[in-house]
Amino acid sequence: SAVISQKPSRDICQRGTSLTIQCQVDSQVTMMFWYRQQPGQSLTLIATANQGSEATYESGFVIDKFPISRPNLTFSTLTVSNMSPEDSSIYLCSVGTGGMNTEAFFGQGTRLTVV
Amino acid sequence: AQSVSQHNHHVILSEAASLELGCNYSYGGTVNLFWYVQYPGQHLQLLLKYFSGDPLVKGIKGFEAEFIKSKFSFNLRKPSVQWSDTAEYFCAVIRSGGYQKVTFGIGTKLQVIP
Repeated sequence: SAVISQKPSRDICQRGTSLTIQCQVDSQVTMMFWYRQQPGQSLTLIATANQGSEATYESGFVIDKFPISRPNLTFSTLTVSNMSPEDSSIYLCSVGTGGMNTEAFFGQGTRLTVV
Repeated sequence: AQSVSQHNHHVILSEAASLELGCNYSYGGTVNLFWYVQYPGQHLQLLLKYFSGDPLVKGIKGFEAEFIKSKFSFNLRKPSVQWSDTAEYFCAVIRSGGYQKVTFGIGTKLQVIP
């Protein structure tokens, strides 16, 4: 299993500003994932972050809006840039165990409100 | 790419009623299957998971799910719901092998009336 710490747990931000969310894992992992859960909706993958390479973004998400850093095997950040109220969501960091019995572990999420 | 369908988007039950939430996935290969729960205002929690073996898996809080490979289904059940089960339930799949992403269903909001 993996224990994931996310910071901040919640924030209220002004439109046009940026927020960086941090994700710390208690063990080294190859891949980290960032998800978004908009109000009343399911979770959608934003991007996959590998250490030492650029993140891979899902359709509908771009690096300019959601830059990701992955400086080492236990840490990643997601920045939500130039925020608008539509960015109000819960953002979650996740890691996988790998192998045949692949399982995902999630951080507690960052609840972002843009006003 | 895999996808997950949850048939019931909003379910209202009285306490002690039985629950079954449908989940179907589409993917031709081997998958690992999960049900997550999200209580109001709280973070995502794992209810149960299936990797292989006995297709009937038991999770926390009296929940169970049955994997039927021929139907690509992984339905969640509970014999008798409680008011505290009011939450949103997400079915999810991960392709087996490697560090695969999670594909979630749209979620089912369960409301249990005392």
